[in-house]
Amino acid sequence: KAGVTQTPRYLIKTRGQQVTLSCSPISGHRSVSWYQQTPGQGLQFLFEYFSETQRNKGNFPGRFSGRQFSNSRSEMNVSTLELGDSALYLCASSLGWLTEAFFGQGTRLTVV
Amino acid sequence: AQSVTQPDIHITVSEGASLELRCNYSYGATPYLFWYVQSPGQGLQLLLKYFSGDTLVQGIKGFEAEFKRSQSSFNLRKPSVHWSDAAEYFCAAPQGNAGNMLTFGGGTRLMVKP
Repeated sequence: KAGVTQTPRYLIKTRGQQVTLSCSPISGHRSVSWYQQTPGQGLQFLFEYFSETQRNKGNFPGRFSGRQFSNSRSEMNVSTLELGDSALYLCASSLGWLTEAFFGQGTRLTVV
Repeated sequence: AQSVTQPDIHITVSEGASLELRCNYSYGATPYLFWYVQSPGQGLQLLLKYFSGDTLVQGIKGFEAEFKRSQSSFNLRKPSVHWSDAAEYFCAAPQGNAGNMLTFGGGTRLMVKP
C-alpha cells in the first residue's frame, strides 16, 4: 500500500511569489491535514480537509489556503511568500475521525 | 484547548541503555495520545497510539508507552536503545473535538552514544 506522497520535496521561491504544494493521501483515506514545521515554532496545524470540505483551520493568515479534490488529493497554496514561510510542510492522511495520521516526507520550502 | 508538553528538549543515552521520554498532557476527558518519530529531513512515523483500554501500549521498533491519568503523563520507553533510534520524538494529541487536528509537543531530540 503506497504511503502519503508529497510533491515536490524541495522548493526555493522568492519573497512575494506564490507556491502550491501537493499531497496524495493513502488510498481510501478521506482526511488530509497540513502542518508547518519550523525550528522556532515546532509543528503547527494549518488545516484539515475531509471529503473536499475544510473541517478545521489553524491560526495562520489568509495567505495560506488549501483545497481537496474528489479523489482526496489535496493542495495547499501560499501567496505573497515571506521569509518566515520557510519551513517543512507536512501532509498527513487519516481514514476518518480520530484515527491515526500517516505523514508524508514533507516539502521543504525555502523563501529567499 | 488541550496541550502537550515534552519537558526534555535533548536527551543523550548510551547504546544499550534504557530510555524514557516524557510527555505530559492537559485534558479533562480520557485523551487520545500518540508518539511519533522523525529522522532528519523526513516525515513523521507513528510509533504507537493510546485510545482507551490497557494503559501500557506496545508500538513498533520495541517501543512502549504507559498512560498514567493520575500524573497526566504518557511516557515513551525502550529497554535497550540502538544507534538507529537517534531521532526526534514527538508526543501528540487531537485538539478536543476537532477530529484529526493534532497538537504536538515541542519534541525531544535523542542522541545515542556508542
